[in-house]
Amino acid sequence: GIQVEQSPPDLILQEGANSTLRCNFSDSVNNLQWFHQNPWGQLINLFYIPSGTKQNGRLSATTVATERYSLLYISSSQTTDSGVYFCAGTVNTGGFKTIFGAGTRLFVKA
Amino acid sequence: DGGITQSPKYLFRKEGQNVTLSCEQNLNHDAMYWYRQDPGQGLRLIYYSQIVNDFQKGDIAEGYSVSREKKESFPLTVTSAQKNPTAFYLCASSKTGAGTEAFFGQGTRLTVV
Repeated sequence: GIQVEQSPPDLILQEGANSTLRCNFSDSVNNLQWFHQNPWGQLINLFYIPSGTKQNGRLSATTVATERYSLLYISSSQTTDSGVYFCAGTVNTGGFKTIFGAGTRLFVKA
Repeated sequence: DGGITQSPKYLFRKEGQNVTLSCEQNLNHDAMYWYRQDPGQGLRLIYYSQIVNDFQKGDIAEGYSVSREKKESFPLTVTSAQKNPTAFYLCASSKTGAGTEAFFGQGTRLTVV
């Protein structure tokens, strides 16, 4: 089946630093989303971005569907950015299902 | 408020007992999903439903069962056949199954002792 690879698996940043998280897909996906999982387990929607670039405050994302990857940029990181970031894509396997990468665990130090 | 409600937040059960996790949404979404998350891991798809009275197995359906009798409800039963049921369970919904944004509930943390 389709594989979703996220890198890096772990990331430690000093507050104020910038970072780029990457998501690669082994095959085409119908859409792509980025989520942030907070310490209580809640998945927060960050971006719904099948293609192109979007920005929301200090966060932005770019998806290049033809090359099967997406990037999440975090600028001027804050301690509240800590948590796990997941990308997910929808594939059609006789029914549409959304599959997830293993996540990038981010810790931002004060 | 519109959203997805999972209940309960925490659930404890004895080994060998079946347990049902609730997931309700008032977003008028057609598609609903159940995922399992183990500590330090990503989300794995258990079952999904694109429309009422229809559902399909995901990647780890063994030991689980679901029903979709109403559009807004998609309960998950963890049966005694599930060998390692202790996990964090997340329910999601999307407007349709095909390429639309998914939204998640707050999750149910199941512990089997």
